[in-house]
Amino acid sequence: NAGVTQTPKFQVLKTGQSMTLQCAQDMNHEYMSWYRQDPGMGLRLIHYSVGAGITDQGEVPNGYNVSRSTTEDFPLRLLSAAPSQTSVYFCASSSVMNTEAFFGQGTRLTVV
Amino acid sequence: QQQVKQSPQSLIVQKGGISIINCAYENTAFDYFPWYQQFPGKGPALLIAIRPDVSEKKEGRFTISFNKSAKQFSLHIMDSQPGDSATYFCAASIRYYGGSQGNLIFGKGTKLSVKP
Repeated sequence: NAGVTQTPKFQVLKTGQSMTLQCAQDMNHEYMSWYRQDPGMGLRLIHYSVGAGITDQGEVPNGYNVSRSTTEDFPLRLLSAAPSQTSVYFCASSSVMNTEAFFGQGTRLTVV
Repeated sequence: QQQVKQSPQSLIVQKGGISIINCAYENTAFDYFPWYQQFPGKGPALLIAIRPDVSEKKEGRFTISFNKSAKQFSLHIMDSQPGDSATYFCAASIRYYGGSQGNLIFGKGTKLSVKP
């Protein structure tokens, strides 16, 4: 019973590099989302998806892309990493938009 | 925009004491108010949640109190234990809404330390 799995757990990038943070869930949840967590800022929504083929922007979408080709996977792409994107990233899923959200273990990203 | 304001930012409580964390919201359309608990190095996990048709919900040592007229809700942890030391987030959303406001809006978090 894996739940929400995020990879990698840690990553260091150089400014300007691109990368994809992976998120997979095995609960057949329709709703998936990406948050970033910064000290003193709480959890801020980056992008979300209400189902395969449907994505939308959250509060802080700039510099990030997402796609949802399957129910299970919701990758987050950093197009050109910047130091301001240094953060801990969490993927979450739930059966519908505002029932219990299940979070992954997070990816700690450092951009130097 | 900060639609959910949480206080205090940090809290130190002695073992056996009561921990109280407060949240205030602005959008009167919010109708789902969960609390999440996060241990270091882990993702947040749902602790307890309330809908606005009740004023209080209790699960074990954890209680949510809800004041609809004041647009405030709070988490009370009775008989606090060192194992309760974690960061707590309140959140709010609109239950039956297909747009962006159906997403959870989180407070900034409270770091709780329970001293033995």
